[in-house]
Amino acid sequence: GESVGLHLPTLSVQEGDNSIINCAYSNSASDYFIWYKQESGKGPQFIIDIRSNMDKRQGQRVTVLLNKTVKHLSLQIAATQPGDSAVYFCAENNAGNMLTFGGGTRLMVKP
Amino acid sequence: GAGVSQSPSNKVTEKGKDVELRCDPISGHTALYWYRQSLGQGLEFLIYFQGNSAPDKSGLPSDRFSAERTGGSVSTLTIQRTQQEDSAVYLCASTPSGGPPDTQYFGPGTRLTVL
Repeated sequence: GESVGLHLPTLSVQEGDNSIINCAYSNSASDYFIWYKQESGKGPQFIIDIRSNMDKRQGQRVTVLLNKTVKHLSLQIAATQPGDSAVYFCAENNAGNMLTFGGGTRLMVKP
Repeated sequence: GAGVSQSPSNKVTEKGKDVELRCDPISGHTALYWYRQSLGQGLEFLIYFQGNSAPDKSGLPSDRFSAERTGGSVSTLTIQRTQQEDSAVYLCASTPSGGPPDTQYFGPGTRLTVL
């Protein structure tokens, strides 16, 4: 989910389980959404994107779901691995080429 | 090919000093973005360049912050008279065209610590 204040929400999952990270976006006019993964000490890395004319898109082990009715975006990671541990950010494009980022969710994978 | 690079990776400075942060975007990318990320928080947009011009400076937090881009490539973010609240990771991203929508590719960031 979205973070408020200084503390990131944390999702803790067991290795091998599926993870679902949620994001509520703000602008119903947003037409493009991206999920980024940020490992400690690194810049955000692109994971997967989806346009507003779709409600689901699949990548390798990841699936993004878009529910425009409730302005909700989710990232599903199948068979979560220790290397998936990171902070995950959603971003929405709603004004030309600008992205607005959510607050991030920390994913911790327990071996 | 090479990704977005930023230098220095870490910068420690004293309050009141000026700092310059550098971003080298991916070759051929026309759009460049600067963000600030405070500890444990999301990304705060600072400024956007299309080519050498900055059509959107709305995120710069104060007049102590400025940025320029030359030759449609390298960009520098300058913070004058640094304050402790400027301590953060400064991230740069570039995109091929800047046209909507476009995936932004990020550099590793510069961690700025103001003592």
